[in-house]
Amino acid sequence: AQTVTQSQPEMSVQEAETVTLSCTYDTSESDYYLFWYKQPPSRQMILVIRQEAYKQQNATENRFSVNFQKAAKSFSLKISDSQLGDAAMYFCAYRRGDTGNQFYFGTGTSLTVIP
Amino acid sequence: EAQVTQNPRYLITVTGKKLTVTCSQNMNHEYMSWYRQDPGLGLRQIYYSMNVEVTDKGDVPEGYKVSRKEKRNFPLILESPSPNQTSLYFCASRLQGRGTEAFFGQGTRLTVV
Repeated sequence: AQTVTQSQPEMSVQEAETVTLSCTYDTSESDYYLFWYKQPPSRQMILVIRQEAYKQQNATENRFSVNFQKAAKSFSLKISDSQLGDAAMYFCAYRRGDTGNQFYFGTGTSLTVIP
Repeated sequence: EAQVTQNPRYLITVTGKKLTVTCSQNMNHEYMSWYRQDPGLGLRQIYYSMNVEVTDKGDVPEGYKVSRKEKRNFPLILESPSPNQTSLYFCASRLQGRGTEAFFGQGTRLTVV
């Protein structure tokens, strides 16, 4: 099974500053997708951003962007201009591109935003 | 509104008493799955279904059953719950296809005493 590692259990950031959450993964596949999900205190899982392994360009969604380093198997999430509403647990996830029936999740990083 | 609906959101039960957590999606998604979330372990897949009457085990299937008799519904059954099944459970669905995202339900907090 693929493994996804998030080595930062907790992170904090000042409001309006930038923070980067780390994620590494282990796979022998070349065709896969990577995702970042946000889980606020409401528990709802919300997709933040996704990246296709075949695309070299890093995905961007408004204030959220990724640094995808395929050779290093690294997929970090950068949050710019952090807002109080960004406070949540963030999960990195991996899925095979072809018959990927399963998402493999990391253990999560709890982000605190300091006013 | 497109959504995945789980019920109940909170449940406290006793060891050995059979229970069912329901899951329904209104997006006509082929894939549905169940995950459990535990502190320090992230989300782990219990079972998944690729379509009606097609189900398979995930990473942690022991003690759970599922069925997929209709495309929209995918209930999770605990025949004889035990305290180690105390967890936060999520149902998810997605469209068949490359890179499609998973849509999650609101979660069910289960406590087995």
